[in-house]
Amino acid sequence: DTAVSQTPKYLVTQMGNDKSIKCEQNLGHDTMYWYKQDSKKFLKIMFSYNNKELIINETVPNRFSPKSPDKAHLNLHINSLELGDSAVYFCASSQGRLNYGYTFGSGTRLTVV
Amino acid sequence: GENVGLHLPTLSVQEGDNSIINCAYSNSASDYFIWYKQESGKGPQFIIDIRSNMDKRQGQRVTVLLNKTVKHLSLQIAATQPGDSAVYFCAENLPRSNYKLTFGKGTLLTVNP
Repeated sequence: DTAVSQTPKYLVTQMGNDKSIKCEQNLGHDTMYWYKQDSKKFLKIMFSYNNKELIINETVPNRFSPKSPDKAHLNLHINSLELGDSAVYFCASSQGRLNYGYTFGSGTRLTVV
Repeated sequence: GENVGLHLPTLSVQEGDNSIINCAYSNSASDYFIWYKQESGKGPQFIIDIRSNMDKRQGQRVTVLLNKTVKHLSLQIAATQPGDSAVYFCAENLPRSNYKLTFGKGTLLTVNP
């Protein structure tokens, strides 16, 4: 009964490919996020959706495109993958006033070769 | 292991000792703070939070202290156990930021049995 689930857990792909990561939450939360964690463990926000509406769009290459078909799902599509995109990508969700912060998924480790 | 070569701030303690992990946050207008624990291969997990109208909050074996004058947060863990070994992050939320959490660098806590 995973609260925030991401697929796949691992993704190894070649430079130039296009790939997607999916995220689903069953907590009834209305806001979902994508964070990128680099090799030094630094966590940086990329995007956030509230009830299917994009509310945070940080400085991210436009090769990254989030899509939220409904408030329980937030997917991340990446075009023309580059070596520097290798990282762990975390999906998270929260409700309203951020009581108890975010609930994170277990991450997708993306390796671009 | 996953944390080798990270060059994160590290804290090494003996089992049973108390641990103190420190964090300097960036924005004096932030009004909500969270400590997260990230075990190897997992997503960050909520530990404890504090709002800016408080300077101390206690949980089970954990205490968070907030010093707004110097923009400093600390996490105290009592009677540290091997299961506490993880990377610990502080995160701050700025009002009217669309629930955005900005994470600090992370501290690697290692508990020696």
